[in-house]
Amino acid sequence: AQTVTQSQPEMSVQEAETVTLSCTYDTSESDYYLFWYKQPPSRQMILVIRQEAYKQQNATENRFSVNFQKAAKSFSLKISDSQLGDAAMYFCAYTGDKIIFGKGTRLHILP
Amino acid sequence: EAGVTQFPSHSVIEKGQTVTLRCDPISGHDNLYWYRRVMGKEIKFLLHFVKESKQDESGMPNNRFLAERTGGTYSTLKVQPAELEDSGVYFCASSPFTSSSTDTQYFGPGTRLTVL
Repeated sequence: AQTVTQSQPEMSVQEAETVTLSCTYDTSESDYYLFWYKQPPSRQMILVIRQEAYKQQNATENRFSVNFQKAAKSFSLKISDSQLGDAAMYFCAYTGDKIIFGKGTRLHILP
Repeated sequence: EAGVTQFPSHSVIEKGQTVTLRCDPISGHDNLYWYRRVMGKEIKFLLHFVKESKQDESGMPNNRFLAERTGGTYSTLKVQPAELEDSGVYFCASSPFTSSSTDTQYFGPGTRLTVL
């Protein structure tokens, strides 16, 4: 069975600094997608970034980038130049035939 | 364009009562998903509709949960009778009908259900 593990329940980063959120997953499939979703306090979950497993190039979206290591089954999210609005719960997700989420990492931004 | 909406935002009920949660997906989205997050745990898949048909309901915990999507528009999730372990946040998500679960899913704000 597929699993997604986020080993950091909470993290803090100083505003303008860089932070990396870790995610590992387990699957026997070769074709799948990985996502990072962000849920700000009292707001709905939105997609931050998406990675297709067949692509070797790491996905980037502005200040957000991933380090996708397929052999190691690792999919970390790097946030550069952290902003106060980045404070949220971040969920890593894997999808093959259905989507599987990790437990989430709560990110605090320190002014 | 309106996003996915869910109603109510919060619900507090007593054990044994019935609660119905509603999800309105983004207009035109054929795929509709229900998820549940129990405090401190993963978001768990409950079921997936394609239009009005249940594509996958393997995540439904038991027969106290009934989901419907009449007409392929909004969906309801009824819990009857509610138990303490049903407490959590219920999320709904929708996506266009292209490649189903590999699509980007658009999530609603969730309904926080508390069963006392």
